[in-house]
This record gives sequence, C-alpha cells and structure tokens, in this order.
Amino acid sequence: AQSVTQPDIHITVSEGASLELRCNYSYGATPYLFWYVQSPGQGLQLLLKYFSGDTLVQGIKGFEAEFKRSQSSFNLRKPSVHWSDAAEYFCAVGDGQGSQGNLIFGKGTKLSVKP
Amino acid sequence: DAGITQSPRHKVTETGTPVTLRCHQTENHRYMYWYRQDPGHGLRLIHYSYGVKDTDKGEVSDGYSVSRSKTEDFLLTLESATSSQTSVYFCATLDGNSYEQYFGPGTRLTVT
Repeated sequence: AQSVTQPDIHITVSEGASLELRCNYSYGATPYLFWYVQSPGQGLQLLLKYFSGDTLVQGIKGFEAEFKRSQSSFNLRKPSVHWSDAAEYFCAVGDGQGSQGNLIFGKGTKLSVKP
Repeated sequence: DAGITQSPRHKVTETGTPVTLRCHQTENHRYMYWYRQDPGHGLRLIHYSYGVKDTDKGEVSDGYSVSRSKTEDFLLTLESATSSQTSVYFCATLDGNSYEQYFGPGTRLTVT
C-alpha cells in the first residue's frame, strides 16, 4: 500500500536560514509526488509536483524539491526562509494519470520561523 | 484558484443530528474529493467522485455518504453526527490536464 512519511512533526528555523523538510514514500511504481502548504485557517496550496524527468523541480515561493528514487525521498528545500513561510507543509503521493487522482498525504510538518 | 467554495464554513451541531456539507466548483472538473483533517493525521480521503452520480469510498468513509447530481456540486452527509466526526473538512477537485488537486477553504465542524 502507498504511504507517505514526514519524520519531522515540527521544525523551527531562523529567518534567513536554509530549510529542508523530509518526505519518504512507499509506492510500487513511479509515483506522482506533491508538496502542499497550508497557512493557519486556510486551505492547501500546491507548491510543486514531480511526475517524471528532471529530478530537481522548482516550485512557487522559491521552493524546490529533489526526487531520489534510491532513497524513496522527495525532500523540500528553500535556501533562505522568510517569516511568511511559517505554515504547515504536506507531502503527498498520487497513483498516476489514468487513475482517480487520489492522493495519500503525510501527516505534515509545521514550520516555525524565528526572527 | 479553481473556484471552489464550501458551505457552511463553520458549523456546530449536536450528536445524532444529520449534517450536510456542500462543495461547489466552477471549473467543470470531473473529479471531486472530500477529505477530513485532524491534528496528527494529515488529510485523509473520505469519498471521491469521478463524475455525476459516480462516487467511491476513500480511506475513512464509515459514517459518511456523498452525492453528486451535478458536475459542480458534491455533497457530504453525516447521517447521524458523532463527536469523532468533529474535524475540518476539505473539498478538492482535480484538474485533469495538470493532474493537480485544488482545495477549497474548508469547513470546521464541531459535534457536541
């Protein structure tokens, strides 16, 4: 069965510092991978996605993620965090085109930013 | 923004009462989803729809039913609400071209 693990429940970084949020997945074939961000009291917004091709993908708000098949990982990175990046981040895996588009979400990582 | 609205945005109800949440989309997307979000659990799929009158169960479907009589509307019904159904409910749609899911603003439901 598909699953997604986000090992870090809560991370605190200083403004201007770099950020890496971890995501590991379990899936039999090539997965469709996503990162979403949720600000307090809001819905989810898509940051970036990986379907195939270049394993380093760029997203909105200066985020990027790297797909590593050998490690079953899709970690999210940002070189310099801004206070407005404080939010909860969710990694998700999908079962590909031609399916129902269902997503399995990780439990989320809450990011706090220190001034 | 896929033009997804949810109503009501907040609701408090008593145990044993029926509750219906509505999701409305303006993008003519074929697939629609209902999720619940609980602390420590992330988002879990309740039901989804792949067309008018075509629905299927997700991971946590017990106690919930859905209906879709029009492309733009997807209803989630709790036949007899229980305290364990206190949660934030999100509707989403799938853009079949980009394969991206777009989420509504959520409905916070409290069952007392």
